[in-house]
Amino acid sequence: GEDVEQSLFLSVREGDSSVINCTYTDSSSTYLYWYKQEPGAGLQLLTYIFSNMDMKQDQRLTVLLNKKDKHLSLRIADTQTGDSAIYFCAEINQAGTALIFGKGTTLSVSS
Amino acid sequence: EPEVTQTPSHQVTQMGQEVILRCVPISNHLYFYWYRQILGQKVEFLVSFYNNEISEKSEIFDDQFSVERPDGSNFTLKIRSTKLEDSAMYFCASSSRGFETQYFGPGTRLLVL
Repeated sequence: GEDVEQSLFLSVREGDSSVINCTYTDSSSTYLYWYKQEPGAGLQLLTYIFSNMDMKQDQRLTVLLNKKDKHLSLRIADTQTGDSAIYFCAEINQAGTALIFGKGTTLSVSS
Repeated sequence: EPEVTQTPSHQVTQMGQEVILRCVPISNHLYFYWYRQILGQKVEFLVSFYNNEISEKSEIFDDQFSVERPDGSNFTLKIRSTKLEDSAMYFCASSSRGFETQYFGPGTRLLVL
């Protein structure tokens, strides 16, 4: 079945770049997403990428997609303490009716 | 900017009681979803709803659960006879179409004692 895997923790210093990685199993996924969850809060859509793209850039965020390896990454440039949160990778299922989430990567940014 | 809203933000209930979690999706969206997140675990899909019927449900969404769109704006999740293991954050989401981006509400934290 569909599954999404992420590393659980990442710790960086303020100003550095952060790279959060994700692998997924369903090669037919059309959309892949990154959501951000701050403590006690809901899921905020950060960005998404369509499966026919290799890269998408949105201000400090860069998403890279390697379809051959089923690997997705989120790069945050000039990471700030306000970026500290849990980042979830998600793929849409084949029917387009449900998101399959990874366990989330906790990003800790120290000053 | 339009957003999904959920009420209540927190709910405490006794085991065996029924709870109704409410959501107001984004107004021109047609697809509605419920997810849950048990503390420290991944976000899990429960159910999707379109055109006044369930379009897909997960194994978690058994007879204890039901969804309803009672009017043109609300979307509810009812949990009958709550169990301790139903304690979780419940998220509502909506999208304009299938395969389109899902926008999430802030969640309802349910605690079953």
